[in-house]
Amino acid sequence: EVQLLESGGGLVHPGGSLRLSCVASGFTFSSYAMSWVRQAPGKGLEWVSAMSNSGSATYYADSVKGRFTISRDNSKNTLDLQMNSLRAEDTAVYYCAKESPYGGNPARFYYFDYWGQGTLVTVSS
Amino acid sequence: EIVLTQSPGTLSLSPGERATLSCWASQSVSSNSLAWYQQKPGQAPRLLIYGASSRATGIPDRFTGTGSGTDFALTISRLEPEDFAVYYCQHYGSSRWTFGQGTKVEIK
Repeated sequence: EVQLLESGGGLVHPGGSLRLSCVASGFTFSSYAMSWVRQAPGKGLEWVSAMSNSGSATYYADSVKGRFTISRDNSKNTLDLQMNSLRAEDTAVYYCAKESPYGGNPARFYYFDYWGQGTLVTVSS
Repeated sequence: EIVLTQSPGTLSLSPGERATLSCWASQSVSSNSLAWYQQKPGQAPRLLIYGASSRATGIPDRFTGTGSGTDFALTISRLEPEDFAVYYCQHYGSSRWTFGQGTKVEIK
């Protein structure tokens, strides 16, 4: 059974930092790209960042570029998100999501087939 | 950047009724790039449909995805009590994902 378990959320002041972690199990972690997706309270879903299976490629939404850093440790089956210079608008539940490839080999499209339960980040003074 | 617009914002229906949710893309996209998710309060999203029309593992056949180009739809043939939730469409392209704003299906 695929499981994704996030941790590290909490209350932080504007301008502060926080590091989120996601531990994966039930699949070959090193074979899949992973993403972080967030959801502000009462709002919709927003993709934040992605990392390729090997860790060689990273991608960021414009809203977090230069402030957030995604990383992974395939030996420990973990995905991290280092969040710096946090703003009130970063307040959200942050989900770790497994990417599943689709549409050819190599795949040209990806969707999220498994999600963690999320960890809440609150940025407030 | 592709913008996805979902309508209606809220759909009020009774169990057993048919639900049709729409998702419009700001420009033509590959059908392979379009997915649908269901989210219930306090839960993570769940993948329903990928590639515009392929059901994910374990998804009942009352859920059907259709469409191409800029117009896509998710149809729930007969609403079950557990189907009342928020539904999001999603596009993937150029190593980025965008979501529609969601359609809430509520009990009438």
